[in-house]
Amino acid sequence: EAGVAQSPRYKIIEKRQSVAFWCNPISGHATLYWYQQILGQGPKLLIQFQNNGVVDDSQLPKDRFSAERLKGVDSTLKIQPAKLEDSAVYLCASRRTGGKANVLTFGAGSRLTVL
Amino acid sequence: ELKVEQNPLFLSMQEGKNYTIYCDYSTTSDRLYWYRQDPGKSLESLFVLLSNGAVKQEGRLMASLDTKARLSTLHITAAVHDLSATYFCAVYGTSYGKLTFGQGTILTVHP
Repeated sequence: EAGVAQSPRYKIIEKRQSVAFWCNPISGHATLYWYQQILGQGPKLLIQFQNNGVVDDSQLPKDRFSAERLKGVDSTLKIQPAKLEDSAVYLCASRRTGGKANVLTFGAGSRLTVL
Repeated sequence: ELKVEQNPLFLSMQEGKNYTIYCDYSTTSDRLYWYRQDPGKSLESLFVLLSNGAVKQEGRLMASLDTKARLSTLHITAAVHDLSATYFCAVYGTSYGKLTFGQGTILTVHP
């Protein structure tokens, strides 16, 4: 099966600019996640979708980050305005619902550098 | 809040040696995952552990879970250079309903 697709792979912006990342999960995976991975740290969950509904966005900085998953398939994560501390890799993952053994499959990530 | 702690955070090993990475977590969980990440790459699933006493093995890696102690281990047997990577454990907290990752263990295997 095709993996989780993400774009762009790399993005460099200046602080206060905006950026958007796109994710296409594995076909049939109802659950989609956005994680932020800062260099040297483990991934931190930003938001979790079940189909097109938000399950958990408790760690999403809502004053600057937004995410949507229209039609329960693709998702976009937007940052506006960006801050220096937003420099990180943004990982999208998807998971088939039902069954504890179902693992999260991660995309290659989108690396953001904020100058 | 669910806390997941790994140790050691850095591990330098010689080829052929054995070692264990530990993953402690702070609350009840019904599943634990181990992932591998190569530099500049995404995370690759290694193991899923679902019950107390579960043990999974793949090649030179063996993972185990003790839910009573809230502890998982990843044991490396006769390390080879190809195992050099960062290893993460991730715990699904039944109370919190989300997957929380540890800080990662950077493993370097030397000839």
